[in-house]
Amino acid sequence: DIQLTQSPSFLSASVGDRVTITCRASQGISSYLAWFQHPSGKAPKLLIYGASNLQTGVPSRFSGSGSGTEFTLTISSLQPEDFATYYCQQVNNYPFTFGPGTKVDI
Amino acid sequence: EVQVVESGGGLVQPGGSLRLSCAVSGFSFGSHWMSWVRQAPGKGLEWVASIKQDGSSKYYVDSVEGRFTISRDNAKNSVYLQMNSLRAEDTAVYYCATLLRHFWRLEYWGQGTLVTVSS
Repeated sequence: DIQLTQSPSFLSASVGDRVTITCRASQGISSYLAWFQHPSGKAPKLLIYGASNLQTGVPSRFSGSGSGTEFTLTISSLQPEDFATYYCQQVNNYPFTFGPGTKVDI
Repeated sequence: EVQVVESGGGLVQPGGSLRLSCAVSGFSFGSHWMSWVRQAPGKGLEWVASIKQDGSSKYYVDSVEGRFTISRDNAKNSVYLQMNSLRAEDTAVYYCATLLRHFWRLEYWGQGTLVTVSS
């Protein structure tokens, strides 16, 4: 199975900050990586698919980059509604594994 | 508007069974794959299973293979997860999500249903 690691696991930030989260895959997955936002007690929300494609309706302050084994999610200017846990997910091979998550807190 | 609604969660004893249901509306259900994803208390997201549009292909995470079965009824716009031989480690919120073939996007999610396995 493909393993994903995320760094950092916890991030303390302020409104307006630029935030970057990194996801690394145990083997190459081309661009088959997605990013999700998961607020506590709510449904996860797809932000980015195909490593860099913004899902319809997602604000442009979110962006993704990378290919192969290293990927990043960037939030250009953190907003109050962005405080949540963020997960990467590889969809190159079954099982479609998730990273361990990065909690973004105030 | 797409709506995804899970049901069927609850408290079950170890070794017991439970069937989760997921109803989808406002969406071309029969044209899309579907998936189940879970989150155990204090843990991260874990993909559980996926099923093709016509039910001819199914995939499972190793930890549930042979115990869980994903199925669907396109006439009812519904997908199901039959869970047998349940273990304490299956305790989780179970989410249903649509799976778009293009880059395998988990696009629309329900609010989840809680399954608790305990004696």
